[in-house]
Amino acid sequence: DVKVTQSSRYLVKRTGEKVFLECVQDMDHENMFWYRQDPGLGLRLIYFSYDVKMKEKGDIPEGYSVSREKKERFSLILESASTNQTSMYLCASRKTGGVSYEQYFGPGTRLTVT
Amino acid sequence: SQQGEEDPQALSIQEGENATMNCSYKTSINNLQWYRQNSGRGLVHLILIRSNEREKHSGRLRVTLDTSKKSSSLLITASRAADTASYFCATGGAGNKLTFGGGTRVLVKP
Repeated sequence: DVKVTQSSRYLVKRTGEKVFLECVQDMDHENMFWYRQDPGLGLRLIYFSYDVKMKEKGDIPEGYSVSREKKERFSLILESASTNQTSMYLCASRKTGGVSYEQYFGPGTRLTVT
Repeated sequence: SQQGEEDPQALSIQEGENATMNCSYKTSINNLQWYRQNSGRGLVHLILIRSNEREKHSGRLRVTLDTSKKSSSLLITASRAADTASYFCATGGAGNKLTFGGGTRVLVKP
């Protein structure tokens, strides 16, 4: 059974803290994605990676960075957390190539920045 | 910006009824996918329809795609309380990215 796991389900951090969100997939997928989900706005892509050490900005990369040192792990970093980064963060992975591959999602991390 | 826009934003039906939701998008696509999200959880893939397909079925799900109108619909037949969730359409273009709409919240009352 395919699996995408995220390091925390719930996280509370203070303004200005550095925050790491970890995502691990066991499907040997090349592509990994970080989204944030806010009410009424759907899912918005923050960053994605199509290979180890490769990354590309999504639609809303400001205030975030990512790291992909190993194929199975994709980390999202908030260098200095702010209250407007309070959100649900979802990680996903996908096999590369073809048009018929879906994305597999982790359970999400609900981050609150106070 | 969102590629897909779902309609309606929310839907409330009785168990056993059909639920229909629509998705409109703006640019050309390779495929369109529907996902379900139970409250506070990750998304689960339901069905994918390619741009050269017009209709697809999977169990109680029926998806249509009209590329001339840039729209898709998802029909859930004989709904159950367990179908209560949010449903998202996502469009796939060139590359491996998807662009998601805002979702339709479906409540199935027993």
